Amino acid sequence: NAGVTQTPKFRVLKTGQSMTLLCAQDMNHEYMYWYRQDPGMGLRLIHYSVGEGTTAKGEVPDGYNVSRLKKQNFLLGLESAAPSQTSVYFCASGGFPGDTEAFFGQGTRLTVV
Amino acid sequence: GESVGLHLPTLSVQEGDNSIINCAYSNSASDYFIWYKQESGKGPQFIIDIRSNMDKRQGQRVTVLLNKTVKHLSLQIAATQPGDSAVYFCAENWGNNDMRFGAGTRLTVKP
Repeated sequence: NAGVTQTPKFRVLKTGQSMTLLCAQDMNHEYMYWYRQDPGMGLRLIHYSVGEGTTAKGEVPDGYNVSRLKKQNFLLGLESAAPSQTSVYFCASGGFPGDTEAFFGQGTRLTVV
Repeated sequence: GESVGLHLPTLSVQEGDNSIINCAYSNSASDYFIWYKQESGKGPQFIIDIRSNMDKRQGQRVTVLLNKTVKHLSLQIAATQPGDSAVYFCAENWGNNDMRFGAGTRLTVKP
């Protein structure tokens, strides 16, 4: 049972480049989340999805887009990367908060130069 | 040892001692709270949760206390072990599936 898998694990981008981070879960969870974690700070919610075909904004959504075309996958896109988006990105999946715990992926370390 | 979470982001304890990690949450309407453990290079791992209709919940070697009056959450770890060394985050449910995390407290266990 793989749980939550993020691809890639590391990436370096130049300012203005685009990329997509993939999150895949095999637990049949309805809810999936993308967070970013910066040094000395907790995780901040970027976008989330409550089911296939749905997405919603979190605390820090600007500069990111997401898609949930399949229940098991949640994609995070950066259309024009900026140095301020240098961070570690975590995907999580789970049930509704309070019903099922959220399981996190291992993280993607993104550097924008 | 005891920390105040966001104000003292590090806590160092001797192996075998009890640890207390504190968290001040911000939303009085939050109805659900989670403590996560994050080891270096890994994603956060669920430790224990508590709903707002409870003031205490116990797990294996861990206890979470909730004081809604002062919006305070604490995590108590009994007989702390070297494997407990990690960063600990509290998270509160702001509603609409938005779990907000604190900045974390780094726990170091000295042998």
